Amino acid sequence: DTAVSQTPKYLVTQMGNDKSIKCEQNLGHDTMYWYKQDSKKFLKIMFSYNNKELIINETVPNRFSPKSPDKAHLNLHINSLELGDSAVYFCASSQGDSRNTIYFGEGSWLTVV
Amino acid sequence: QQQVKQSPQSLIVQKGGISIINCAYENTAFDYFPWYQQFPGKGPALLIAIRPDVSEKKEGRFTISFNKSAKQFSLHIMDSQPGDSATYFCAASSSGETSGSRLTFGEGTQLTVNP
Repeated sequence: DTAVSQTPKYLVTQMGNDKSIKCEQNLGHDTMYWYKQDSKKFLKIMFSYNNKELIINETVPNRFSPKSPDKAHLNLHINSLELGDSAVYFCASSQGDSRNTIYFGEGSWLTVV
Repeated sequence: QQQVKQSPQSLIVQKGGISIINCAYENTAFDYFPWYQQFPGKGPALLIAIRPDVSEKKEGRFTISFNKSAKQFSLHIMDSQPGDSATYFCAASSSGETSGSRLTFGEGTQLTVNP
C-alpha cells in the first residue's frame, strides 16, 4: 500500500483553467503538507495542516486553496492557472511537526500551457 | 532569503569513492537537520537526520557531520555506488516558530556515481 498517494500524477491544462490535486495518507499521521518543486528542483512548503487545521500558509497566491476534509486527506485546488504554476506538487505527511520524518507522495506534475 | 545553502549543485564521483555534500544555515533556532534523497519521478525520502546535541551520526555508508559553531553540516557517502545516483537535499527545522514548524530545504545536489 502506498503511504501517501496523490492524484493525478500528470496534469496538462490550459491557462485560466481550474484544477484540483487530491492527496490521501494511510499512515495515521496528524500533519499534512503541500510542497512545490520548481524546474530547478527547489522544494518549498506551501501549506501545512494539523488535524484539519491550517497552520502554515507560506505566502502562496490565494488562487491556491487547500482543503482538508479529514486528517487523512489534503486536497489542493488551483484557480485561474498561470504558466508560472507549472511545477511538481508534492503532498506529504508526518506525525507531529516537521522535526519528525516527513513522508512524501510521488508528486503531481502540473504543466500549464 | 535562502536560509539553508547547499553545495555543490552537482557532483560526479567514481564508484567506490566518497561523496561529500555541504550545507550552511543562518537561523540559529534550527534544531533538526535531515537529509532527503530523491530519485527521478519520485518524492523525496528521508535518508538520515541529526539533532545539534551530537556532532556526527552514521547509518551504514551515510554519515552526517555537524558543526554547530560554524552553522554547517555535511553528508558523506562512503563507497559510493551507482544506485546512490539521485538528488540530495539538506534541510533544517526548528521547534520555536510560533507560526508552525516548517522544513526549509537547501537547493539540492545532483549526485552521479559512475560505474
